[in-house]
Amino acid sequence: DIVMTQSPDSLAVSLGERATINCKSSQSVLHSSTKRNHLAWYQQRPGQPPKVLISWASTRESGVPDRFSGSGSGTDFTLTISSLQAEDVAVYYCQHYYSPPFSFGPGTKVDIK
Amino acid sequence: EVQLVESGGGLVQPGGSLRLSCAASEFSFGTRWMHWVRQVPGKGLVWVSRINTDGSSTDYADSVKGRFTISRDNAKNTLYLQMNSLRAEDTAVYYCGRENWFIDLWGRGTLVTVSS
Repeated sequence: DIVMTQSPDSLAVSLGERATINCKSSQSVLHSSTKRNHLAWYQQRPGQPPKVLISWASTRESGVPDRFSGSGSGTDFTLTISSLQAEDVAVYYCQHYYSPPFSFGPGTKVDIK
Repeated sequence: EVQLVESGGGLVQPGGSLRLSCAASEFSFGTRWMHWVRQVPGKGLVWVSRINTDGSSTDYADSVKGRFTISRDNAKNTLYLQMNSLRAEDTAVYYCGRENWFIDLWGRGTLVTVSS
């Protein structure tokens, strides 16, 4: 089974500043058949269900602000919020969809400094 | 509106059973693989189970294998999770999700509490 880890556990960033979250998988999620990284990022605001922000490690979903970007390949991935806004306060999770079980990372809580 | 609505949660005693439902609206339910994900309040997301379009293929997390059964009724646009032999550690909000390789649509969840 693939184990997902994230760092840091939490971070506080000033409004307008950059936030960077890291995600690591215990084995590569770059699939030989699709030639793509089977890695998604989700945002969960307080009291809300998760919402997908990024799929395929770097594809921003429709309607997601362009201040959110994803990068990485293989086992190491990054979610970057280029200019933090108040509405970005949330917990962010990475998840692989390479093969079952489709585990999530433990989450990174983002707050305003 | 395209949405998923879970129901069936509640308080159940350890060892008991519960069946969750997830009603899908305004999309072609029968063409989409579906998932259940759970979350202990204040904790992280945990993937539980997945089912293919016609129900012939299912996957489970080790923690629920043999106790939980995922199923679907495409005529009713409804996903189910039958939960047996429930334990205190199964207490969580249960979300259903629509697959687009990743989970691209989530319900709002239903709370299951296992306690005597």
